[in-house]
Amino acid sequence: DTEVTQTPKHLVMGMTNKKSLKCEQHMGHRAMYWYKQKAKKPPELMFVYSYEKLSINESVPSRFSPECPNSSLLNLHLHALQPEDSALYLCASSHSGGRETQYFGPGTRLLVL
Amino acid sequence: DAKTTQPNSMESNEEEPVHLPCNHSTISGTDYIHWYRQLPSQGPEYVIHGLTSNVNNRMASLAIAEDRKSSTLILHRATLRDAAVYYCILRDWAGGKLIFGQGTELSVKP
Repeated sequence: DTEVTQTPKHLVMGMTNKKSLKCEQHMGHRAMYWYKQKAKKPPELMFVYSYEKLSINESVPSRFSPECPNSSLLNLHLHALQPEDSALYLCASSHSGGRETQYFGPGTRLLVL
Repeated sequence: DAKTTQPNSMESNEEEPVHLPCNHSTISGTDYIHWYRQLPSQGPEYVIHGLTSNVNNRMASLAIAEDRKSSTLILHRATLRDAAVYYCILRDWAGGKLIFGQGTELSVKP
């Protein structure tokens, strides 16, 4: 099973709301990633977790707060977002965080009003 | 990470071969060449990767120039399901990050 699942598929939120995106994999992978993709643009890395510890934060604003409660789960907590944060948020996982293949989920399409 | 250059878009006819080029003139000796593609409304998926020698798998072939400054992804018989954005990415030995360039949007005509 090489599936990464993401919930919800779509999310609409106001600028004062708090919401969370969820990502799950059962491939035994120990590295998990969040990417952000604006329309017609390539994905951009936001965060990397390796063995449940945050190893890379690409200078992402604090209104995005990642969490890795265990090796299978990755959350992205959202608070006080701006309309320009509307995008497709992609989760990925890989074996251990090196140069191996990353497996992506289908993404959560977020609209901030 | 070294930069790659790809055409913005290409067109192909169904069941014909497609050659997707990628230039990476500043590639270092330890950089691997990876290709991912992103089908409409999906996350990216791995296609193939190589270091120096040409590589084949069930999805595609990767032809790497002798000086490694360019490479070509070859889809032997394009299908409508191959319509996607194809990304050529260089990854060094540590390679934890995937740094996507603009990619090539491939359209396939029936």
